[in-house]
Amino acid sequence: KQEVTQIPAALSVPEGENLVLNCSFTDSAIYNLQWFRQDPGKGLTSLLLIQSSQREQTSGRLNASLDKSSGRSTLYIAASQPGDSATYLCAGNTGNQFYFGTGTSLTVIP
Amino acid sequence: DAGITQSPRHKVTETGTPVTLRCHQTENHRYMYWYRQDPGHGLRLIHYSYGVKDTDKGEVSDGYSVSRSKTEDFLLTLESATSSQTSVYFCAISALWDGANYGYTFGSGTRLTVV
Repeated sequence: KQEVTQIPAALSVPEGENLVLNCSFTDSAIYNLQWFRQDPGKGLTSLLLIQSSQREQTSGRLNASLDKSSGRSTLYIAASQPGDSATYLCAGNTGNQFYFGTGTSLTVIP
Repeated sequence: DAGITQSPRHKVTETGTPVTLRCHQTENHRYMYWYRQDPGHGLRLIHYSYGVKDTDKGEVSDGYSVSRSKTEDFLLTLESATSSQTSVYFCAISALWDGANYGYTFGSGTRLTVV
């Protein structure tokens, strides 16, 4: 069974810092990988999708990369803002379903 | 998300009663999923559907059943609710089996409390 680990579980940074969130899979045979953001009491909002033929995706201040050989993904957030405060979840597709990590809770301090 | 809605948003029910949660999509996506989210466990797949009347079990399917009679609707039924089924339930959709092209899109969730 696929296990997904996200490190760190929680992170607190001052506004303006660049930061990296990590995600690793026990089974590196991942087809597609998706990063989500979840605000308290809300649903999941898709941030970036890295498809099987890709190694990274960028959207604004966000950049996600996937190393399939190691089963690791990183989400890089540049120039963090208080509005970035949320829980970030990674999910990878193995076979016919996505497996989710438990998330990194990010707090950006003004 | 505008293309996927869940109802109800909140529900409190008594132990032993049946409960049905509804997921409705307007994207005409083939694949639909039910997940539950619990602290320390992340999101876990309950059941999924790969077409009308085509469904399969996920990793935590005991005590749950599903039905899909139309492309746009996917129902999750708790046959006899227990306190361990208190959770937040999310529906998701995808166009392709592996989430390619568009990935997964999630609904806003249903918070279910079993007392």
